[in-house]
Amino acid sequence: SQTIHQWPATLVQPVGSPLSLECTVEGTSNPNLYWYRQAAGRGLQLLFYSVGIGQISSEVPQNLSASRPQDRQFILSSKKLLLSDSGFYLCAWSGEGDSPLHFGNGTRLTVT
Amino acid sequence: AQSVTQLGSHVSVSEGALVLLRCNYSSSVPPYLFWYVQYPNQGLQLLLKYTSAATLVKGINGFEAEFKKSETSFHLTKPSAHMSDAAEYFCAVSRLGNTGKLIFGQGTTLQVKP
Repeated sequence: SQTIHQWPATLVQPVGSPLSLECTVEGTSNPNLYWYRQAAGRGLQLLFYSVGIGQISSEVPQNLSASRPQDRQFILSSKKLLLSDSGFYLCAWSGEGDSPLHFGNGTRLTVT
Repeated sequence: AQSVTQLGSHVSVSEGALVLLRCNYSSSVPPYLFWYVQYPNQGLQLLLKYTSAATLVKGINGFEAEFKKSETSFHLTKPSAHMSDAAEYFCAVSRLGNTGKLIFGQGTTLQVKP
């Protein structure tokens, strides 16, 4: 069966520091991968998605970037965090066709 | 453009009572619709999905939803609430051709009273 791992579970970082969140999927090949953010008052928002290695699409302009160095690995990064980057970051994957979205357990990021 | 509106940010029911969480969507093409549940500090778990097959969709944990095109609705119901159903529920519509690129409603927090 397929599983998705996301870490760390919680993170507190100062403003201006870098960020790296990692997500890996097991039990499937060539998944579509996604980063969503859940922030207070803004609901769930799609940040990035990827249909293959090195292929990244950004949904909203922001201080963050994403990379997919391997088929089942998806990384969310920032060079300098802003206070507004605080939120709950969720990695997710889906298969082909009408396969639904499956979420990881999320990373709670607090920028201080 | 597609959108989802969940009516009521908080719903409170008694244990054993009917659960009804409302969702209306807007889409210029036949939509794919989803309900997800989120427990505190966890990711979202898929409850059920509608992808243009049967209009009454049964999901996990006794939940079901009915797609009504004439009302542009996809309300979530459960005949008898359990304490363990207390969580936040999200309705979502997928964009054209990609069921991973979801547009979510603002969520409804379900409280179950003993």
